[in-house]
Order: sequence, then structure tokens, then C-alpha cells
Amino acid sequence: KNQVEQSPQSLIILEGKNCTLQCNYTVSPFSNLRWYKQDTGRGPVSLTIMTFSENTKSNGRYTATLDADTKQSSLHITASQLSDSASYICVVSGYSSASKIIFGSGTRLSIRP
Amino acid sequence: EPEVTQTPSHQVTQMGQEVILRCVPISNHLYFYWYRQILGQKVEFLVSFYNNEISEKSEIFDDQFSVERPDGSNFTLKIRSTKLEDSAMYFCASRATDTTNEKLFFGSGTQLSVL
Repeated sequence: KNQVEQSPQSLIILEGKNCTLQCNYTVSPFSNLRWYKQDTGRGPVSLTIMTFSENTKSNGRYTATLDADTKQSSLHITASQLSDSASYICVVSGYSSASKIIFGSGTRLSIRP
Repeated sequence: EPEVTQTPSHQVTQMGQEVILRCVPISNHLYFYWYRQILGQKVEFLVSFYNNEISEKSEIFDDQFSVERPDGSNFTLKIRSTKLEDSAMYFCASRATDTTNEKLFFGSGTQLSVL
């Protein structure tokens, strides 16, 4: 069964600290993996996309990694800011249309001053 | 960055009533989608739409649901007779092509509450 599992479910860190969010997936065949940021009451916004051949991709203070062999990805946030407080959702796509886009449950990140 | 807009942002309705959720996709996009997210749960696919017809739909998208592109800009989701379990955040999304690497642009959502 195609699944995307994220950990931790929630995380609280102090402003300025770094953190790493984890994503494990069993989606097959695999096309790409995206990390989305979802602010409360808003739609998800894409942060990064990684395909099978990519190991690391950065977008400002966000760095995503992908290990296609172990089917794991991580999102590292450096020097966190209060505006980073949001849910971070790992989304994996197979070689098909929108119904095969599998969403994780997200990690709820709270940044404390 | 271009945006998908959704209206209303919140909708409260009585069980059994019909609701229409509205979306304006990004103007040059051709592929449109509805997703929903029940509070505390994952985002779930409902339906995809291209060339004025449904491309794909999930098990959730039963006969109570319908989609329409009534004009060149709007894309609507209708729920004919709402149930309590339809309470969720409904997201519209669009993209230019249906290739898997193409980014999906999501709207801000409509929070539907069925009482």
C-alpha cells in the first residue's frame, strides 16, 4: 500500500535553532517527493521537489535530502524564525496523475521566541 | 507568484443542504483539482478535471459531489446534500500540465462546517 509517514508529529524549538523533519514512504513507482509548508488555515505551498536522482536540494534555509534506496527524506531548517511555525507536509508522487499524489500527515512545527 | 483563489473562506451549512465551493485557478493552467483535509488528518484527493471533464476521481467523490467549469475562469465543487462528515477544509489546486514534476498550486481553502 502506498503510504507516507512523517515524524515527529509535532515539534517545538526555540527561535534560531535548527531542526530536522523526517519522511518515510512506500510509494511505488516513485516519481518525485515534495516538501510543502502549510500555514494554519492556508493551502500548502511547495518548498522543494526532489526526483529519484537527487540527493540534496536547498531553498534558502530549507534543505531537503532524499535517499531513494531507503525511501527516506528529511527537511532541515536552519536558524529557525517565528514565521517557520507551520505544518510541513511530505508529498510523494508516483508515475501517474493527481490521485497518486500521496500526502503525509505533516509535522506541526512551533517556533518559540 | 500567481495564486489560486477560493471563495468563500468559510462556509457553514445545515445537514442536507447544497453547497457550492468556488475556485479561480491560475489563468494559464489547464488541469484542476479538488482536495479535502478533515481536521487533523491528511490531505485527500477528490477529483481532477481537464478539458471540461473529470479525468479521475477518488472513492470519496460519490454521486453527491460534482464539479463544473461554468465559464473560462471559475471551477466549482458542488455537494448536493451535505453530511456531517463532509465538514473539512476543501482545497482547489491547478497546474499547467499533468506531468508529475509540475508544481501544484493550492488555494487557501474553504473551511466547510456542516451542522
